[in-house]
This record gives sequence, structure tokens and C-alpha cells, in this order.
Amino acid sequence: DTGVSQDPRHKITKRGQNVTFRCDPISEHNRLYWYRQTLGQGPEFLTYFQNEAQLEKSRLLSDRFSAERPKGSFSTLEIQRTEQGDSAMYLCASSLTAAGQFFGPGTRLTVL
Amino acid sequence: AQSVAQPEDQVNVAEGNPLTVKCTYSVSGNPYLFWYVQYPNRGLQFLLKYITGDNLVKGSYGFEAEFNKSQTSFHLKKPSALVSDSALYFCAPPAGSGAGSYQLTFGKGTKLSVIP
Repeated sequence: DTGVSQDPRHKITKRGQNVTFRCDPISEHNRLYWYRQTLGQGPEFLTYFQNEAQLEKSRLLSDRFSAERPKGSFSTLEIQRTEQGDSAMYLCASSLTAAGQFFGPGTRLTVL
Repeated sequence: AQSVAQPEDQVNVAEGNPLTVKCTYSVSGNPYLFWYVQYPNRGLQFLLKYITGDNLVKGSYGFEAEFNKSQTSFHLKKPSALVSDSALYFCAPPAGSGAGSYQLTFGKGTKLSVIP
């Protein structure tokens, strides 16, 4: 499978705990995006990497959120001190150019 | 800057009939426009894009879209709907920035239900 993969697919955690998600983009894609989708809404942009550099962050990305992309390959998104409002589907996408992004299956986070 | 509107929250169509999911855009300059589909409990899948060139764009799964500059529309169409086309459809323009990110901006989408 040469698509975008995300791990885990589902995560249930208690409020206050830290969680980390991983995204493996399509191998030749240098651009990587994180989005968040809540029920009944379309995805909202969180952050963008070009190679290993994090070039853009949405104001939705509070200080509790941090993302990395070491070596310009896979990326991780960490949420510290989770809150119930963090419950959502976290989507990763990658692209080679501006011409179209390919999305992974997402990680569904439930904060109890 | 670009923005789009999908005027219908829900579209119902009978199996075998043609389907249209509407999208209108507002943009300064040349528009980039994308259509994505989200099946239940699955990630977003790219259908097609318009950047420049032919106004009729053909995409995945038999879908096509026509870029109409005079009507500022980019409606998604399929000649014969399948029950398996039932999903949430998003018309999404990329929001270009100085960082070159082109992140996609999504609305709530249009829910398509194909009735057997």
C-alpha cells in the first residue's frame, strides 16, 4: 500500500493524558498537512510541513499541540493534557505539489 | 483569496439518475478548485481538480466537473448515480500563503444520498 497511513486508527484516553499520533506520508511527497475534523464539520487545517520544516500553524493549534517531522519523512502530532474538546478525527495529508493532497484514514480521538 | 459555497446540505437522487452537487466560488485571480469525497468512517479521497486548461475536468469513479467562469461555478456531476456514491462531498479551494502551504479550506460539505 503506497498511500498515506496513520497510527493508531482509534485512541481513547482520559482527560489530562498526553497522546501522540503518527502519520506516514506517500514516500516522495515533501509536503505534509495535519487537519482536524469534528462531527458534522469539514476538516480544519492545523499545520503544514515542507520537508522537515514546520512552515505554518493555524491558530487552532494551541500550546498543548506540537507537531514534528524529523528528517522530512513521517510526522507526529502530540496533544498534551487532553481536554474533551480535543475529541475529533485527526487527518494527515501529503502532496508533492500544490496540485492535490492525499489523505490518510485518520486517527479518531475520544477524550473521556 | 478564495472561498466556496455549497448551497445544499443534502442531495437525494435515485439510483441510475444523473447527479449534481453544486459549488460556487469567489476568487480574485485564477481559481484552484478541488473536489473530495468522504465515505462513512473513511478518510477523504481526491476526486478531481481544476487549475487551468479545459473547463470540463474528469476525475475518479466516473465523476466530472465543469468550471464555469461566467457563473462562478464548479459543479460536480455524474451521469448515472450508484448507491455506493452515497457520501459527503467537499468542494475545497486551497488557501495559498507565503509559506507555500496551499492548505485546503473545507465547509460542511454536501451529503449525497443515492436511493435504490
